[in-house]
Amino acid sequence: QVQLQESGPGLVQPSQTLSLTCSVSGGSITSHGFYWSWIRQYPGKDLEWIGYMFNTGGTKYNPSLNSRLTISRDTSKNQFSLKLNSVTAADTAMYYCARMPSTGSFGWFDPWGQGTLVTVSS
Amino acid sequence: EIVLTQSPGTLSLSPGERATLSCRASQSVLRNYLAWYQQKPGQAPRLLISAASSRATGIPDRFSGSGSGTDFTLTISRLEPEDFAVYYCQQYGSSISYTFGQGTKLEIK
Repeated sequence: QVQLQESGPGLVQPSQTLSLTCSVSGGSITSHGFYWSWIRQYPGKDLEWIGYMFNTGGTKYNPSLNSRLTISRDTSKNQFSLKLNSVTAADTAMYYCARMPSTGSFGWFDPWGQGTLVTVSS
Repeated sequence: EIVLTQSPGTLSLSPGERATLSCRASQSVLRNYLAWYQQKPGQAPRLLISAASSRATGIPDRFSGSGSGTDFTLTISRLEPEDFAVYYCQQYGSSISYTFGQGTKLEIK
């Protein structure tokens, strides 16, 4: 079964770039049938969809983050990544990667990685 | 952006009782593309229901989803001790952005 694991720095300075990687095992990120997404959960527990990458490499972003966000991939490592520029304290959150189906009623997330906490602070 | 409002904020019930959780959308959810998730402390959310009423693989049949348009419900027919958690709804009918509700905490009475 597919498993996802987030990794990256737990502390990022304000105005810098937040960079995270999601390593996928048990399935290929280039396989037909699935897209690969990032979601974050704020300390108050609200959830926000960040964006996703198609199995073909295309991307779709949350409009509220579009100007600061890049999602990319490394197919040789079966990983996809998130880069968020110009971060502020408001970007402090638990960041999750998750798989989503690309057919049928796609748009739901399953499974999720365990999450990685990122704090933006000097 | 579609705003999802969940109620109640906290629901206090005893094991064996029936739980009814509500999720109301600010506008109609296209094709009833609404999902429900369960989150326990220290864990990632887990998918329970997709497309308003389709149970995910491995989810017990005491969990059921219903509703359409702007009003959706998650029902847990008979609460087990492991069901006490936070529940979130999520809409994915909008092609612009996916959004989540603020969550309902189901606690033991």
